Formats: sequence, C-alpha cells, structure tokens
Amino acid sequence: EAGVAQSPRYKIIEKRQSVAFWCNPISGHATLYWYQQILGQGPKLLIQFQNNGVVDDSQLPKDRFSAERLKGVDSTLKIQPAKLEDSAVYLCASSLSRGNEQFFGPGTRLTVL
Amino acid sequence: SQQGEEDPQALSIQEGENATMNCSYKTSINNLQWYRQNSGRGLVHLILIRSNEREKHSGRLRVTLDTSKKSSSLLITASRAADTASYFCATTSGGGADGLTFGKGTHLIIQP
Repeated sequence: EAGVAQSPRYKIIEKRQSVAFWCNPISGHATLYWYQQILGQGPKLLIQFQNNGVVDDSQLPKDRFSAERLKGVDSTLKIQPAKLEDSAVYLCASSLSRGNEQFFGPGTRLTVL
Repeated sequence: SQQGEEDPQALSIQEGENATMNCSYKTSINNLQWYRQNSGRGLVHLILIRSNEREKHSGRLRVTLDTSKKSSSLLITASRAADTASYFCATTSGGGADGLTFGKGTHLIIQP
C-alpha cells in the first residue's frame, strides 16, 4: 500500500515570498491533516479535513496560511507571505476516518531566510 | 499549545536494557497514542490506548495510562540500536475534531 506522498521535500525561500506544499493521502482515506513541526518540538495541528470540508482550523494562522482539499483527495497548504518563524517541517497525515490511526508523510522542510 | 510533556527529554541506555518514557497531559482525553520519529522512517504510529484502558502491549512495547494522574508511560523492553529515535505522546480530546496534540518528545539513544 502506498503511503502519504508530499512534495516538495525541501524548500528554501526568502521572507515575504509565497510557498505551497502538496499532499496526496493514502487512497480511500477520508480524513486529512496538516501539522507544523518546529525543530525540537512535537508536531502542531494546523488544519483537519473530512473529505473536502474543514473540521478544525482553529490553530491555522489564517492571515497568512490557507489550505484546500478540492474533490476530497489531494490537498495544498499555502503560506503567503512567509515569515522567518515559519521555518519548520510541514507534515501531512491521513486516516481512514476520524478516530482511526493517522499515517504521516515524509514532510516538507521549509527554510525561510 | 503542547498538551503532553514527555519525561525525560533525553535518555541514553545500553542495547538490551529497558527504556521507560513518561508523558503527562493537562486536559481530559479520548485516547493517547505514542509515535516514533527518526530521520529514516519519519513519524510512525506505535500504539493507541483508549481512556477506559489501563495497559496495552504490542511486541516489545508496553503502555500504561493513569487518567486520575493524567499520565502515561511507554516501556520498550530489550532495546535495540534501531530503537534510537524521538518518541512522542499525542492525545485526542474526542468530538468530531481528532487532530493530535503532541508533547515535545523524548530523544532515546541506544548505545551498542
């Protein structure tokens, strides 16, 4: 079974630039999550989708972050404009449905200079 | 904000010894999960224990949960070099949103 795919794996940008990350969940998984992991800390939930609807985006900095999951499959997370403190690994996870085990992708490491 | 706090922050033991990590959390939970993270395999789910369970086993892993103390422990028996990784506890609080709230993790080093 193929795992959660993410791209790009690495991205370096300057502050105030824009960046987008892409996630392809495991086939058939209805629930998709984006997490932000700053170096030395545990992941922090940014947003949760159930199919193409948002379940929880209470920790998403909506002034600069946006996410969508068109057609309930792939998802994109965008940052515009980026700040230095956005440097982190952005992890995508999916689960069959809410309450089930979450499977994580390899992450995208973002460096903002 | 972080829900769980793992203790210790770092642990170094000899191969073959047992490793114990603890996790404390602040609010009521639906379940508690343990994850392992290393550079080779990313973040991997190890075990889930529900709020009405007190102990669970999976291979060399043993997890306990004490909801009255809001704490959990992860025991890895007969450690191997491949167990070197960061270990995180993560909780869900129930309801429709079940995103995980992670602690800061314990970095475990197994000396050969």
